[in-house]
Amino acid sequence: AQSVTQLGSHVSVSEGALVLLRCNYSSSVPPYLFWYVQYPNQGLQLLLKYTSAATLVKGINGFEAEFKKSETSFHLTKPSAHMSDAAEYFCAVSPNTGFQKLVFGTGTRLLVSP
Amino acid sequence: DAGVIQSPRHEVTEMGQEVTLRCKPISGHNSLFWYRQTMMRGLELLIYFNNNVPIDDSGMPEDRFSAKMPNASFSTLKIQPSEPRDSAVYFCASSRLAASTDTQYFGPGTRLTVL
Repeated sequence: AQSVTQLGSHVSVSEGALVLLRCNYSSSVPPYLFWYVQYPNQGLQLLLKYTSAATLVKGINGFEAEFKKSETSFHLTKPSAHMSDAAEYFCAVSPNTGFQKLVFGTGTRLLVSP
Repeated sequence: DAGVIQSPRHEVTEMGQEVTLRCKPISGHNSLFWYRQTMMRGLELLIYFNNNVPIDDSGMPEDRFSAKMPNASFSTLKIQPSEPRDSAVYFCASSRLAASTDTQYFGPGTRLTVL
């Protein structure tokens, strides 16, 4: 079975600081990986996805993530945090065949202080 | 594009009552997903439809839960009878294709409280 582990239920950064949200996956076959963001009282919005093309994936709002097979990781980064980045972030994994059956991590809440 | 529409946005009901959640996917999308989000279990896929046909319902918790998609623009998730442990936020999502590379678009969710 596929799964993802997100390290840290809460991450706090100052505005302008680097954002790093960690995600490690477990899968017996090469997976597809996704990062979603959830703002309060809203649904999830796709930030970026890895589907076996380039290992460095750029997404919306200045976020990017790098697929590292040797480390089974797909960490999310942003060079400079903005107050509007405060939200909950979910990493998800899906098989690379068949339909997109997303398995989500437990989420990381990003707090941004002025 | 209006996005995925869910109704109601909030539902409060008493244990034992029937609850029906509704979803209108994005026009032209052929795949529809129902998810449940709770503090204890996080986000879980309940059921997936492709071209109005249920493909995978392995996430449906028990027989009290049922889902239908009578046409391409409407789906329902029904709980009968409801129990307090069903309290959660229920999300509907749709995607254009059934492909594993496609993007799922989520609705705003229905917050269900069962007293």
